[in-house]
Amino acid sequence: AQKVTQAQTEISVVEKEDVTLDCVYETRDTTYYLFWYKQPPSGELVFLIRRNSFDEQNEISGRYSWNFQKSTSSFNFTITASQVVDSAVYFCALSVRGQNFVFGPGTRLSVLP
Amino acid sequence: DSGVTQTPKHLITATGQRVTLRCSPRSGDLSVYWYQQSLDQGLQFLIQYYNGEERAKGNILERFSAQQFPDLHSELNLSSLELGDSALYFCASSPRWEGAGELFFGEGSRLTVL
Repeated sequence: AQKVTQAQTEISVVEKEDVTLDCVYETRDTTYYLFWYKQPPSGELVFLIRRNSFDEQNEISGRYSWNFQKSTSSFNFTITASQVVDSAVYFCALSVRGQNFVFGPGTRLSVLP
Repeated sequence: DSGVTQTPKHLITATGQRVTLRCSPRSGDLSVYWYQQSLDQGLQFLIQYYNGEERAKGNILERFSAQQFPDLHSELNLSSLELGDSALYFCASSPRWEGAGELFFGEGSRLTVL
């Protein structure tokens, strides 16, 4: 069975601080896909990134970066120089070929001005 | 705008009633997923359809049912509603069924059962 753990329930930072959201996943399959989604206070779920299990390259997109490490089954998300607009709940998700998406419980990030 | 449309956005009803939530996927997406998000809860997978056929079932109650129509829109039917069914119901679509493609979510339908 697949499982996603986001150990940090809530994080508070002050604007301009860097913050890392942890995601640890479990699967026995060698082919799988990892995702991050953002849910701002307005409630919609916004897709941020997809990574497949064969691509361990880290990715940077503006202030966002993702660190995928198969050795530790982790797919962590870092926001650099956080802004108030980054305040949201962030979900990490795992999908295994032929099976369904499993979402972690989410991490609520509060960025204080 | 994800391209996924859900109606209604808000719905208030009483216990014991039945409601239908509707979802139109992104143009070209054949796969539709339904998720339930209760207050301060994560996303619970309910059911998935691909091109009209049920593909996977999660923790969907027997009081709940869904279908995907030939035009690919989907409906989630919730019956004999209980207070605990109050939640945000999301529909998501994907161009693929096997989980390789990202999910694009609608804005959700917020159901309140009084």
